Amino acid sequence: KNEVEQSPQNLTAQEGEFITINCSYSVGISALHWLQQHPGGGIVSLFMLSSGKKKHGRLIATINIQEKHSSLHITASHPRDSAVYICAPRNPYNTDKLIFGTGTRLQVFP
Amino acid sequence: NAGVTQTPKFRILKIGQSMTLQCAQDMNHNYMYWYRQDPGMGLKLIYYSVGAGITDKGEVPNGYNVSRSTTEDFPLRLELAAPSQTSVYFCASSYANEQFFGPGTRLTVL
Repeated sequence: KNEVEQSPQNLTAQEGEFITINCSYSVGISALHWLQQHPGGGIVSLFMLSSGKKKHGRLIATINIQEKHSSLHITASHPRDSAVYICAPRNPYNTDKLIFGTGTRLQVFP
Repeated sequence: NAGVTQTPKFRILKIGQSMTLQCAQDMNHNYMYWYRQDPGMGLKLIYYSVGAGITDKGEVPNGYNVSRSTTEDFPLRLELAAPSQTSVYFCASSYANEQFFGPGTRLTVL
């Protein structure tokens, strides 16, 4: 069993839809990152969170450390949101390192 | 700031050849990482460094070597290329819990 499970693996949506991507992990952690990988391959960091909720524009990330679960929401989705979204908890045994999920591929159609 | 830069962008190697993937950052970050990304898989940590002169192995270090003589540079060396090293390689640096990724190097070993 992978330490980090993301669902769904693939997601298609119509422009304007509300999107939810889920991440579950099997080890106790102190913090978790959400990353976005563009179709061209570049990776950018979206959020780092250790509790509660963070919002940046149309993106909202939530985490429940006790339940070992995090979600990434996109409100009013747009075709430019099409990307792979990667969940990456901090390694509890060495917080200098991240453990990466395999990603959720999102396609938003006009 | 240029951020994290990587060269080359693409490379094809023959089995047994060697090469160095270059990575540099101009943000004065102490933490730097090398990852590989295989199709359909999450990012895997090859090596990381917490500062000049200090390096440590990640999950998949076999077949690779690194050095960190300066804060800015973190080259990754492949000594005897093998087809299993065909992958996309990302260098990253981090500061204050945020990760900054380079654009990646796509390496094919034939």
